[in-house]
Amino acid sequence: DGGITQSPKYLFRKEGQNVTLSCEQNLNHDAMYWYRQDPGQGLRLIYYSQIVNDFQKGDIAEGYSVSREKKESFPLTVTSAQKNPTAFYLCASSRNRANYGYTFGSGTRLTVV
Amino acid sequence: KNQVEQSPQSLIILEGKNCTLQCNYTVSPFSNLRWYKQDTGRGPVSLTIMTFSENTKSNGRYTATLDADTKQSSLHITASQLSDSASYICVVSAEQAGTALIFGKGTTLSVSS
Repeated sequence: DGGITQSPKYLFRKEGQNVTLSCEQNLNHDAMYWYRQDPGQGLRLIYYSQIVNDFQKGDIAEGYSVSREKKESFPLTVTSAQKNPTAFYLCASSRNRANYGYTFGSGTRLTVV
Repeated sequence: KNQVEQSPQSLIILEGKNCTLQCNYTVSPFSNLRWYKQDTGRGPVSLTIMTFSENTKSNGRYTATLDADTKQSSLHITASQLSDSASYICVVSAEQAGTALIFGKGTTLSVSS
């Protein structure tokens, strides 16, 4: 079955460390997105990519980095520059720019220890 | 500014009762409106998607309505079940290429027995 897979489900990071969250899709979707979700807030866009080797900053890109070397993969790195990284991170993909077929992964909960 | 406002913020109902969740938006130009259900610790799952010309759409016990003139939508849940306990998120897509979705903060529904 086609879908979008995020791993790991839970991730713990020490202060000053970089960590990478994985997102893989086998839906043949062109566009992929990373969101951050905090309690009581709507999802906020971190980065998005509409084609391979191209990506754009979202509303809260500071302290994060991404790559899109393959159509299927869009990993997110949370760097030490992100001052408040504890959150629930969601990856999504869509068929094209018009957001058809928008599908979310099951999320990664990142906690700073 | 494009915004999506949901009410109430939270809601508690008894199993078997009906409820209605509200969504007001100021997104322009409007493309489509979606309702998602998000279980705790999981990614959002699409319930309905409506374009400008659609007034109502059903998915089992979930019925969404859209009034594009007043820029309001509602999600009606009939004969609620314990498994309906979740966050319900209203999401609006603007008619601009490459633009991600605009999320409401969600309504947290608790169904008790």
